[in-house]
Amino acid sequence: DVKVTQSSRYLVKRTGEKVFLECVQDMDHENMFWYRQDPGLGLRLIYFSYDVKMKEKGDIPEGYSVSREKKERFSLILESASTNQTSMYLCASSFRAGSSYEQYFGPGTRLTVT
Amino acid sequence: GQSLEQPSEVTAVEGAIVQINCTYQTSGFYGLSWYQQHDGGAPTFLSYNALDGLEETGRFSSFLSRSDSYGYLLLQELQMKDSASYFCAASGNTDKLIFGTGTRLQVFP
Repeated sequence: DVKVTQSSRYLVKRTGEKVFLECVQDMDHENMFWYRQDPGLGLRLIYFSYDVKMKEKGDIPEGYSVSREKKERFSLILESASTNQTSMYLCASSFRAGSSYEQYFGPGTRLTVT
Repeated sequence: GQSLEQPSEVTAVEGAIVQINCTYQTSGFYGLSWYQQHDGGAPTFLSYNALDGLEETGRFSSFLSRSDSYGYLLLQELQMKDSASYFCAASGNTDKLIFGTGTRLQVFP
């Protein structure tokens, strides 16, 4: 079974702090994704990566950056956290290019910025 | 723009059949996926339709009509454990998934 793990289930940070969310997958997947999920808005793509050191902006990249130094690990960085970034953050992976229709999700990190 | 529309909530009773519709407006459309998410849980992949027609997987079936930009998820013999949110998602030539806003299904005894 594919396993996608995220570093924290719950996180509380203060406005202005730099926040790192880590995601690791164990199935040698090429594609990795970061989403945020808010009530009534569904899942919105922040960034995705189709290879090590490669990244593409999603629909809402403002205020976020990502890092993928190793194939199995994809990090989301909030450079200066703000209260409007309070949300559930979901990481996902898929096998390779052309297979993004089937994504495997981690359990999510609920981030609260105060 | 790109968007998918689905009803916000659907209710049904155990043993019944329910259909969750999804209409999409996306460029470079390849296919339609469906995901299930229980409260507090991660979304899990249910099905994918790249071609027109019905795909059946146990109690769940998914349908796609490319000419109508429309699909649906059909859940039969509903069980309490089927209470969850269901998302349709469109894939295209950019290797991204565009998700709908989700349909909350409540199954009553």
